[in-house]
Amino acid sequence: ETGVTQSPTHLIKTRGQQVTLRCSSQSGHNTVSWYQQALGQGPQFIFQYYREEENGRGNFPPRFSGLQFPNYSSELNVNALELDDSALYLCASSVNTEAFFGQGTRLTVV
Amino acid sequence: AQSVTQPDIHITVSEGASLELRCNYSYGATPYLFWYVQSPGQGLQLLLKYFSGDTLVQGIKGFEAEFKRSQSSFNLRKPSVHWSDAAEYFCAVAANFGNEKLTFGTGTRLTIIP
Repeated sequence: ETGVTQSPTHLIKTRGQQVTLRCSSQSGHNTVSWYQQALGQGPQFIFQYYREEENGRGNFPPRFSGLQFPNYSSELNVNALELDDSALYLCASSVNTEAFFGQGTRLTVV
Repeated sequence: AQSVTQPDIHITVSEGASLELRCNYSYGATPYLFWYVQSPGQGLQLLLKYFSGDTLVQGIKGFEAEFKRSQSSFNLRKPSVHWSDAAEYFCAVAANFGNEKLTFGTGTRLTIIP
């Protein structure tokens, strides 16, 4: 149990729709990172938020966006969903280099 | 940019046998290295990490890893595996201390046979 909670656990969306995934970070962790894990692959870094500001971004298009709130919880938004966006989305909260991962949200785009 | 290679996609080991999972990294400066384990449908759990100091690192669940700069490797070992060790194992590198932007390998799936 890492103390990082993601919702929903599973989600099915239609191509072209928009989706919002949520993450509640572990108490005291001011940094949240999001990763995309396609089937059979390792997680890929999407972006990171530190104290409500974006603090680095991976190789993902602008239709992937995020927010971090004053309580350090976070959202990942994906617009204009594509079939290839189907994946497990992982949130990790961290402090002092150790990242604690949530269970993930399984997104299926049909 | 840093990268991680896990050469073995799938490894099968008998219960009670020893285990070594390979990880090679590419990074110009001092790497910060991690091993994570992922059970089916689950998130990632940190097994161990290396930042500096002793190159043999002890982790949870009886795992250890050895950092070898000359070989750019950070292999994970366990002297005797248990059926509950069956999972996907990921090696990862971070660019900077305090930087949790991890670059992961593609993972090694471990199967345990009786």
